[in-house]
Amino acid sequence: EPEVTQTPSHQVTQMGQEVILRCVPISNHLYFYWYRQILGQKVEFLVSFYNNEISEKSEIFDDQFSVERPDGSNFTLKIRSTKLEDSAMYFCASSVFGRGGYTFGSGTRLTVV
Amino acid sequence: AQTVTQSQPEMSVQEAETVTLSCTYDTSESDYYLFWYKQPPSRQMILVIRQEAYKQQNATENRFSVNFQKAAKSFSLKISDSQLGDAAMYFCAYRTAYSGAGSYQLTFGKGTKLSVIP
Repeated sequence: EPEVTQTPSHQVTQMGQEVILRCVPISNHLYFYWYRQILGQKVEFLVSFYNNEISEKSEIFDDQFSVERPDGSNFTLKIRSTKLEDSAMYFCASSVFGRGGYTFGSGTRLTVV
Repeated sequence: AQTVTQSQPEMSVQEAETVTLSCTYDTSESDYYLFWYKQPPSRQMILVIRQEAYKQQNATENRFSVNFQKAAKSFSLKISDSQLGDAAMYFCAYRTAYSGAGSYQLTFGKGTKLSVIP
């Protein structure tokens, strides 16, 4: 069964450093998403991406965050200057249709020290 | 904005017994989707079951079924014949059916931690 692949599975970074989280969505999917889950809390929407542009973003997704689909297969989330409160699990998801079911990746655990 | 409420932070069930997890939501839309996701200790998000709001029939997937009450805005998950592998966090989620912006993000509840007692 096709999978959404996320790398790395765990990343530790120093506060103030830039990090790039990578995702390879399922190849025929058209809608892409990033979500965040702080430990012990609910999963929160960050941003959606369709037709090579951001279609919607939450208030969490401030100027420190950006997304790209640089080569038609990878989908990346960049955090420019990490803060301690950015420590969380970050999930990538994709779907073939807007109304279709999602497939989530297995997540990247980001730890900011 | 839509909200999803899971009022049971933790639940437990004896192996082979049945348990029901509650979820309520608030929306002004008439067409939408509802989901239950399972998150085991590995923290991967696994789709358990989904329900389209326009369908009156409750969705069923093997041992998992839902009780969808549209007027009451209630969407509970029933797990029959509970197994040790069912132990996990369970999240209820809502998604709109129509988006002019091309975004179909999920709104999650806070989750219910289910323990299965051998």
